[in-house]
Amino acid sequence: GQSLEQPSEVTAVEGAIVQINCTYQTSGFYGLSWYQQHDGGAPTFLSYNALDGLEETGRFSSFLSRSDSYGYLLLQELQMKDSASYFCAEISGTYKYIFGTGTRLKVLA
Amino acid sequence: EAQVTQNPRYLITVTGKKLTVTCSQNMNHEYMSWYRQDPGLGLRQIYYSMNVEVTDKGDVPEGYKVSRKEKRNFPLILESPSPNQTSLYFCASKTSGHERYEQYFGPGTRLTVT
Repeated sequence: GQSLEQPSEVTAVEGAIVQINCTYQTSGFYGLSWYQQHDGGAPTFLSYNALDGLEETGRFSSFLSRSDSYGYLLLQELQMKDSASYFCAEISGTYKYIFGTGTRLKVLA
Repeated sequence: EAQVTQNPRYLITVTGKKLTVTCSQNMNHEYMSWYRQDPGLGLRQIYYSMNVEVTDKGDVPEGYKVSRKEKRNFPLILESPSPNQTSLYFCASKTSGHERYEQYFGPGTRLTVT
């Protein structure tokens, strides 16, 4: 079936840079979104790529390569508040969403 | 304040007792969607709606019904809940069109079916 693959957990220290990868395998792919979810909270939107390349939004950037069916989220200057789960989500042309299983990021002091 | 609201936030019920989880948004969004979140499985889309009277199945629609009679509301109906529907449910909305891609999520409804 359709699925997106992400690492289950990533650990990094404050101030570091971390990259969370996401691979997808679905026909009808339109774009890739990234969401952040703190424990007990709702997902919140971070970034979106429909075209190949890098999209930058402050400390967060997202990259997409359609030819490789691959994307990543880059978090720079990590802060303790960035400790959360991060989900990639594929959007199809018919507005159907498929989410990855999530990557739990732990930021250490 | 722009928001998506869900009610109830917490619900414990018994197998077979019909229930409805309401979802409402005040942003005039055309697109609304329901997800369930289970440990290790991420978010899985149940149903979505592109506009009033237009709904479509997501990945896990079995055991659920939806309706979209008004633009602002998108209730999720479990006609005969079973224990495997115990989960955290999120409603979300966004404007239509691929140029507007940000989904806004409600606070979630934690459902337990015994």
